[in-house]
Amino acid sequence: GQNIDQPTEMTATEGAIVQINCTYQTSGFNGLFWYQQHAGEAPTFLSYNVLDGLEEKGRFSSFLSRSKGYSYLLLKELQMKDSASYLCAVRALSNDYKLSFGAGTTVTVRA
Amino acid sequence: DADVTQTPRNRITKTGKRIMLECSQTKGHDRMYWYRQDPGLGLRLIYYSFDVKDINKGEISDGYSVSRQAQAKFSLSLESAIPNQTALYFCATEGGNSNQPQHFGDGTRLSIL
Repeated sequence: GQNIDQPTEMTATEGAIVQINCTYQTSGFNGLFWYQQHAGEAPTFLSYNVLDGLEEKGRFSSFLSRSKGYSYLLLKELQMKDSASYLCAVRALSNDYKLSFGAGTTVTVRA
Repeated sequence: DADVTQTPRNRITKTGKRIMLECSQTKGHDRMYWYRQDPGLGLRLIYYSFDVKDINKGEISDGYSVSRQAQAKFSLSLESAIPNQTALYFCATEGGNSNQPQHFGDGTRLSIL
């Protein structure tokens, strides 16, 4: 595998900010994706990073540091509907350019 | 209409039965994947296909087989189902560029009794 690690669970309050970290070990890194998955539903694409730095999309931002093997997903102005699992996935030459998924981080937003 | 359609959405069956899960797509993608998802384990790759004549085993292919009938169709079979194959199964498609995400079907919840 690609040794992708992310926290199992996080809890935050509505309106707050939450940062979900993802670390990976791979050879021939070729991109990192974040997906959102509500319980019992399909994962849906949130963001993509291949170069170092921050990508912003509305309330969601994703950061990548290739030298550190590290990414984070930042969720701002949390809403109840953001309660979901967030999956980090890495594409790499060492896995024939297929995606390898982390186990996911379950975020619970409380009122 | 969904771009990636899985049938059935739910299935309960008995140990030893043969089961086929079907996936069809209208995205025109060459690459298709089958995953299973278990609590705490994330998505694990069963089989994948980069085009109609290409079939490859993933990390957990034992007990499964696939057929790529056309660019748009990729089916997964359990030849003789066993209880530890109870899981949520997802089909996904992907375009040819590395910056393109995978697109998932709505999943098939399979229970083997």
